[in-house]
Amino acid sequence: GQNIDQPTEMTATEGAIVQINCTYQTSGFNGLFWYQQHAGEAPTFLSYNVLDGLEEKGRFSSFLSRSKGYSYLLLKELQMKDSASYLCAVKDSNYQLIWGAGTKLIIKP
Amino acid sequence: IAGITQAPTSQILAAGRRMTLRCTQDMRHNAMYWYRQDLGLGLRLIHYSNTAGTTGKGEVPDGYSVSRANTDDFPLTLASAVPSQTSVYFCASSGTSGGTDTQYFGPGTRLTVL
Repeated sequence: GQNIDQPTEMTATEGAIVQINCTYQTSGFNGLFWYQQHAGEAPTFLSYNVLDGLEEKGRFSSFLSRSKGYSYLLLKELQMKDSASYLCAVKDSNYQLIWGAGTKLIIKP
Repeated sequence: IAGITQAPTSQILAAGRRMTLRCTQDMRHNAMYWYRQDLGLGLRLIHYSNTAGTTGKGEVPDGYSVSRANTDDFPLTLASAVPSQTSVYFCASSGTSGGTDTQYFGPGTRLTVL
């Protein structure tokens, strides 16, 4: 079966750095997405990786290793507004997105 | 309209009733999707449409039906609601269903079936 694993919850301090990991086993691979979802709101797109390596976008970076079935999202200079759930999703061989359950990130002052 | 809209925002429904959730996008996206989101689970695909006039089944299609008469609208119908269909429903769209295309989400409909 297809599976996306990510930690259920993480806690970090304002101003610090946090890394959220995602491992996947899917039938085929056509890219990996990270979304942010604030409580009670819709998911919003953060990043996309299809080749191995690091993609940097401001305070957020995303890394992919296809051989290891592994990705991480790195958030720097954490702000209170970064408190949200972070969703990892992989496009499979049918171009359907398979979603992880999400990682709830709690930021403490 | 800007982006994707969904209606209603929330609804409480008696079991056995029929309900249609509406979704409209103004981005001229070809592909549209319906997901449900339940606590502790990832988003699960109910139905999708790669282009107007075509639809397909996702991971959890039972009890739901969709239609795609035009590019902008993608309604989801529960023919006879059951309590297990209590969930938050998100509609999404993307330019195409291809690899690089990002899905954009509507604000969601919170549905409670009693």
